[in-house]
Amino acid sequence: GAGVSQSPRYKVTKRGQDVTLRCDPISSHATLYWYQQALGQGPEFLTYFNYEAQPDKSGLPSDRFSAERPEGSISTLTIQRTEQRDSAMYRCASSLGFGDTYEQFFGPGTRLTVL
Amino acid sequence: AQSVTQPDIHITVSEGASLELRCNYSYGATPYLFWYVQSPGQGLQLLLKYFSGDTLVQGIKGFEAEFKRSQSSFNLRKPSVHWSDAAEYFCAVGYGNKLVFGAGTILRVKS
Repeated sequence: GAGVSQSPRYKVTKRGQDVTLRCDPISSHATLYWYQQALGQGPEFLTYFNYEAQPDKSGLPSDRFSAERPEGSISTLTIQRTEQRDSAMYRCASSLGFGDTYEQFFGPGTRLTVL
Repeated sequence: AQSVTQPDIHITVSEGASLELRCNYSYGATPYLFWYVQSPGQGLQLLLKYFSGDTLVQGIKGFEAEFKRSQSSFNLRKPSVHWSDAAEYFCAVGYGNKLVFGAGTILRVKS
């Protein structure tokens, strides 16, 4: 696509429910990132994919968080047994290649609220 | 550990006035530095980046930033602010294929 898209844009869920967020990167981009942005803070790295491979999961806060990119394009971020502290903006970004010199293009984000 | 500090949470400037947003970073090696802007309902947009070379970098929308290694700073500047510049601005350092962001500075522009 022309830009990075994310769905849903807003998600309200109850504590204990599972949620899945979707990211559709720019079609030619090999690398895809997930960030979590709490209110009043900057985005914090969660994980990234290089095509289907997921070399770095170091930012995932707990084993309740998981991400997939099975065909090297669309990615999903799943949060199991959501907790109120999971409430945040979840941002996806993609880049043409792997490495700091490649610009990351960000999507509009998904605002998750856990009640 | 790598970190980015943006000391000002909010800044208000008059339209037409000059602007400087401060950013300090902590990073052991030569940093890759970025400034992003976030408008309401929009994704983060890259304003400019520094990798090496000339320490004064030009970006989009009339913004520039200066890398000062001795001060570990990468401040963003604009000579004349427009009302459309009101947004939240994030400084970031590239580290191992991830970006480490500051907490952001909210810019308000008064007419």
